[in-house]
Amino acid sequence: DVKVTQSSRYLVKRTGEKVFLECVQDMDHENMFWYRQDPGLGLRLIYFSYDVKMKEKGDIPEGYSVSREKKERFSLILESASTNQTSMYLCASSPPREGTDTQYFGPGTRLTVL
Amino acid sequence: AQSVSQHNHHVILSEAASLELGCNYSYGGTVNLFWYVQYPGQHLQLLLKYFSGDPLVKGIKGFEAEFIKSKFSFNLRKPSVQWSDTAEYFCAVSGTYSSASKIIFGSGTRLSIRP
Repeated sequence: DVKVTQSSRYLVKRTGEKVFLECVQDMDHENMFWYRQDPGLGLRLIYFSYDVKMKEKGDIPEGYSVSREKKERFSLILESASTNQTSMYLCASSPPREGTDTQYFGPGTRLTVL
Repeated sequence: AQSVSQHNHHVILSEAASLELGCNYSYGGTVNLFWYVQYPGQHLQLLLKYFSGDPLVKGIKGFEAEFIKSKFSFNLRKPSVQWSDTAEYFCAVSGTYSSASKIIFGSGTRLSIRP
């Protein structure tokens, strides 16, 4: 059974803190994605990666960075957390076939920045 | 610009009613279309997808969707809803961006079913 796990379900941080969100998939997928989910806005892509050490900006990369040192792990980093980054963060992975692949999602991390 | 529109933000139905959730997209070239569902407290998961062939696609739990190319639409339907269909539904379209597939999601439609 496919599995995408995220390091925390709930996280509370203070403004200015550095925050790491970890995502691990066990399906040997090349592609991995980070989204944030906000009410009324759906899912917005922050960054994605199509291979180890490769990354591409999504639609809202400002204030975020990512790291992909191993195929199975994709980390999202908030260098200096701000209150407007309070959100639900979803990680997903997909196989490499262009255009037809299904994304498999993790359970999400609900981040609150105080 | 590529986009996906879901015009219904919140739909409330009684059990056994018929359902149709609208989805329109703006995307150049060949499209692949998806409906994802997020049940309360659960992961986002695939409901159905279209990438070629028969434009009427059947998914899990009795859902279906029809791709109408001339209308740029991919509406989700179910003839008779159940209380367990209460969830948030996301329409999505994929294309190719660099070397990875990038999916654009709509804003979601919250479906509430009255028992």
